[in-house]
Amino acid sequence: AQSVTQLDSQVPVFEEAPVELRCNYSSSVSVYLFWYVQYPNQGLQLLLKYLSGSTLVKGINGFEAEFNKSQTSFHLRKPSVHISDTAEYFCAVRAAGNKLTFGGGTRVLVKP
Amino acid sequence: SQTIHQWPATLVQPVGSPLSLECTVEGTSNPNLYWYRQAAGRGLQLLFYSVGIGQISSEVPQNLSASRPQDRQFILSSKKLLLSDSGFYLCAGQRWGNTEAFFGQGTRLTVV
Repeated sequence: AQSVTQLDSQVPVFEEAPVELRCNYSSSVSVYLFWYVQYPNQGLQLLLKYLSGSTLVKGINGFEAEFNKSQTSFHLRKPSVHISDTAEYFCAVRAAGNKLTFGGGTRVLVKP
Repeated sequence: SQTIHQWPATLVQPVGSPLSLECTVEGTSNPNLYWYRQAAGRGLQLLFYSVGIGQISSEVPQNLSASRPQDRQFILSSKKLLLSDSGFYLCAGQRWGNTEAFFGQGTRLTVV
């Protein structure tokens, strides 16, 4: 079985400051890793994904994430946030052939 | 590109009434399909998972059921709604051989 833990339920951050959202997972097999963003009352959009290869993955809107196999982590970062980055962010994992499992989400509130 | 259509966008239903939420997929065949529920302040809970017509896996015991009468149609139902069924329901699809999921815009259900 696989599981995902997002360590922070809410992250307040000032505009133009950096932000890091933490994600840890557990799985007995190799997994694919994802970050999704959800704006209010909308569905989820894919920010980035890790399938294989380089452990540093760049996504849309200036976000990037780093896969760390030894620490079973996939933390999301952005060096400078905008007001428009206010949203909820979900980390997800999927083992080959298995269903997608999401973490509990992290609400990011960007303050001016 | 693949698209998920979900309707209605919002729904207010009395306790004890039936429910039917429909989700249809465009742009791909034989997708894996998911129903998720997002309760206030919580993450995404996987409700049902389908790998094909008539094949449904239930993830949690509950008051809801799902059906897949056609390859690109996934229906979430209830015979009698409970107050605890309120939430934001998301349908998602995963193209065969692909890794990430694509989401509909969601249905906000309020049971009163």
